[in-house]
Amino acid sequence: QLVESGGGLVQPGGSLRLSCTASGFNFNDYRMSWVRQAPGKGLEWVANIKQDGGDEVYLDSVKGRFTISRDNAKNSVYLQMNSLRAEDTALYYCARDPWGHCNTGMCYGAFDMWGQGTMVTVSS
Amino acid sequence: DVVMTQSPLSPPVTLGQPASISCRSSQSLVYKDKNTYLNWFHQRPGQSPRRLIYQVSNRDSGVPDRFSGSGSDTDFTLKISRVEAEDVGVYYCMQGTYWPYTFGQGTKLEI
Repeated sequence: QLVESGGGLVQPGGSLRLSCTASGFNFNDYRMSWVRQAPGKGLEWVANIKQDGGDEVYLDSVKGRFTISRDNAKNSVYLQMNSLRAEDTALYYCARDPWGHCNTGMCYGAFDMWGQGTMVTVSS
Repeated sequence: DVVMTQSPLSPPVTLGQPASISCRSSQSLVYKDKNTYLNWFHQRPGQSPRRLIYQVSNRDSGVPDRFSGSGSDTDFTLKISRVEAEDVGVYYCMQGTYWPYTFGQGTKLEI
């Protein structure tokens, strides 16, 4: 299970830190991603982090503003969002990226577990 | 970035009849390991997405066998052999071969 928190209303230029806490599986074994969905729109992948935190990948439009991190001792992944813009308004989902854990072996981007999402609204 | 284009965006469907969604990528999704990382997700209204199929054609456990995925290279298809009421929602294809991961724009299934 994945449970997100930390969303809310923030002014343009402001900051917010999202959290996602995992349970029911060995968190250390999995890469994790954040995926967002603007109101009434489709899904957009935002960031991904390796199991040990040693590799982070970002969508270009958030690079330099967002930072993904994790604390394996707390089974948690985070998204620090700075310099927020109106276009960052979305429901943010945490998703498990199984990579080598599919029956076929590797399965990049095959998000097999999703949280319920936390809403971020950027508005003055 | 790889652009994923789905069609149709809102197909007319009838209960008990088949439905098909096309997903095309702007470049080949075959990775250097010769596998193709194309996934399908379903999002019911008000719910989080759920994975249906990974690596083109591998159906998840619990996904009815009326769902099937096929395709190769840049051209992929999700088929529903007989649409049921619970199949309503939006279907997304997504490629995991390249960074950044990219989704199709979504196909909305309404009965």
